[in-house]
Formats: sequence, structure tokens, C-alpha cells
Amino acid sequence: GESVGLHLPTLSVQEGDNSIINCAYSNSASDYFIWYKQESGKGPQFIIDIRSNMDKRQGQRVTVLLNKTVKHLSLQIAATQPGDSAVYFCAENGVVYSGGYQKVTFGTGTKLQVIP
Amino acid sequence: GAGVSQSPSNKVTEKGKDVELRCDPISGHTALYWYRQSLGQGLEFLIYFQGNSAPDKSGLPSDRFSAERTGGSVSTLTIQRTQQEDSAVYLCASKNGQKLFFGSGTQLSVL
Repeated sequence: GESVGLHLPTLSVQEGDNSIINCAYSNSASDYFIWYKQESGKGPQFIIDIRSNMDKRQGQRVTVLLNKTVKHLSLQIAATQPGDSAVYFCAENGVVYSGGYQKVTFGTGTKLQVIP
Repeated sequence: GAGVSQSPSNKVTEKGKDVELRCDPISGHTALYWYRQSLGQGLEFLIYFQGNSAPDKSGLPSDRFSAERTGGSVSTLTIQRTQQEDSAVYLCASKNGQKLFFGSGTQLSVL
């Protein structure tokens, strides 16, 4: 079945270093991927997205890379800060069916710990 | 309101009792999703409402779980005869375009 999974459950990074969070997906038909950040006690929040016709998209201190050949997605955070400590989820927006149905599947999540 | 609102924020109940969890989505968002998040885990899809169409209930774990969405806005997730394994955070999200906007969730504890 469809699945979106993460390679690493926990990542510890020194403040100021760059962070890379990885995600594998299995549904080659998906054409839209999103990274969400979940801070403690809150719901996930949108960080950055990418369409399947792109291989890279940059935001403010964040970059998402998409490799469709190996079905791999990554989130890069530059100059990691304490406020970046959170759980990060990749999400896969599935095919849009008639009536507008579109299932969103989330990966397991990676906990990012920033060491001051 | 400005965002997705969920109530209550915390719910403690006894095994066997019924509970109702409420979600107020962002005004104008036609899609509404419910997810369950167990401690230290990812997001488990439960149910999805799209406009006035029949909901996608494929993620509901048992017939003790049900949800409705009245008037295309507020949604209620009901869990009957709660079990200890139902303890989790229940998250609601509404969707605009491709992005999901989440509430802060309801922490359900079944004793």
C-alpha cells in the first residue's frame, strides 16, 4: 500500500550546523509533497512544499530536495537554531479523485534536537 | 476564528465511556481531516470530509469510531465505549489548496 516513511527517528544537531531530514515514499503517482513542523503541544505547521516536476525548492533557511528516481525527499535546514527543535513530518498528497477527494499520508516523523 | 479550533484540549475519561471531540475548521475550507497521534508516533489518518460528499471513513480503526460534519463546517468525532488503546492526541485539520492547517489537538486519556 501507500506509505511515507522516514529513515531516522531522532536527529541531534549542534546549533549553527546544517540539518538534513530524510523521507522515503512509495507512491510514484503522487505529485505534491509537503514538510510540516510540529512543536510540542501543537499541531503540525506547514514549512515548505514541492511538486513532482521540481527537484529543489528553497525557502527561508530551508530547502526541500526531491529525487523521484529513488522516491526520496529531504529537508535541509541551514544554520540550525534552538527554535528549530521539533518533530518534522513529510507528507504526500495523493491523487485527486472525482469529487475532490485527496488523501494526505504522513511519515513517522523525525525529532530534531538542537544542542546549544 | 483565525485558525482551526479543537475542544476540549484535554479529556480524561473512564474505560467504557463515550467521548465527543469537536473541531471548528477555518471558515471557507471545504476539506476536513481527522488524524490520531499516539505518543511518539506519526499521524494516523482516521476520516476525511470533502464538501458535501460522503466522507472517506477508511481510516477509522473500529465501529466504535464515528464522525460527522454538520453544515459543511463543524465536525465531531465520537468514540464509543472507549478503551485504553484509544488514548492519544486527536488532531483535526482543514485544507486550503494543498496545505493542511491543524488545530492543537485533543489529548484523550482513557483510564
